[in-house]
Amino acid sequence: KAGVTQTPRYLIKTRGQQVTLSCSPISGHRSVSWYQQTPGQGLQFLFEYFSETQRNKGNFPGRFSGRQFSNSRSEMNVSTLELGDSALYLCASSFTPGTGGTGANVLTFGAGSRLTVL
Amino acid sequence: SQQGEEDPQALSIQEGENATMNCSYKTSINNLQWYRQNSGRGLVHLILIRSNEREKHSGRLRVTLDTSKKSSSLLITASRAADTASYFCATDASFTGGGNKLTFGTGTQLKVEL
Repeated sequence: KAGVTQTPRYLIKTRGQQVTLSCSPISGHRSVSWYQQTPGQGLQFLFEYFSETQRNKGNFPGRFSGRQFSNSRSEMNVSTLELGDSALYLCASSFTPGTGGTGANVLTFGAGSRLTVL
Repeated sequence: SQQGEEDPQALSIQEGENATMNCSYKTSINNLQWYRQNSGRGLVHLILIRSNEREKHSGRLRVTLDTSKKSSSLLITASRAADTASYFCATDASFTGGGNKLTFGTGTQLKVEL
């Protein structure tokens, strides 16, 4: 079974540009979550999509957005890049829809997309 | 914001020794999970313990959970060089509304030396 695939793996952008990152979940997984990892802030939740709907959102500005397609693949976009957006962006998929109290939200992560903003 | 604090931040041990890392969190949870990350790559799920469980084992891993103290510990027995990685606890507080939103701790960097 193929794992979670993230593309691109590495990219360099300049301030003010925008970037789109892609994530293909494990076949059959309908939930896709995105996390940002930086040395200073650690792992921070960005958002989660399930059946093409954003179900949860973290505390990030509106410059960070995402979407999910009917085949469960997901993209996230960051507009007007800032130096502080340099980070490892991790995508994770889950089979369990997360029913709260009865579901167990075990995540399978991709290898990440490392974004450097100059 | 991060739910959990982990200690120690870094731990260096010899191969064959046991490694213990601790996690404290702030709010009521549904379950707590531990993940491992090698050299800035993706995280790998290790073990999950539900809020009504106190201890769980998986191979060389032993996890405990004390909901009254809002704390958990991960014990790796008979460590190997391949266990060198960063370890994160993650809490799931999704009681209502559902959805996946894990909150990760600050992590413990474990180095196992030959």
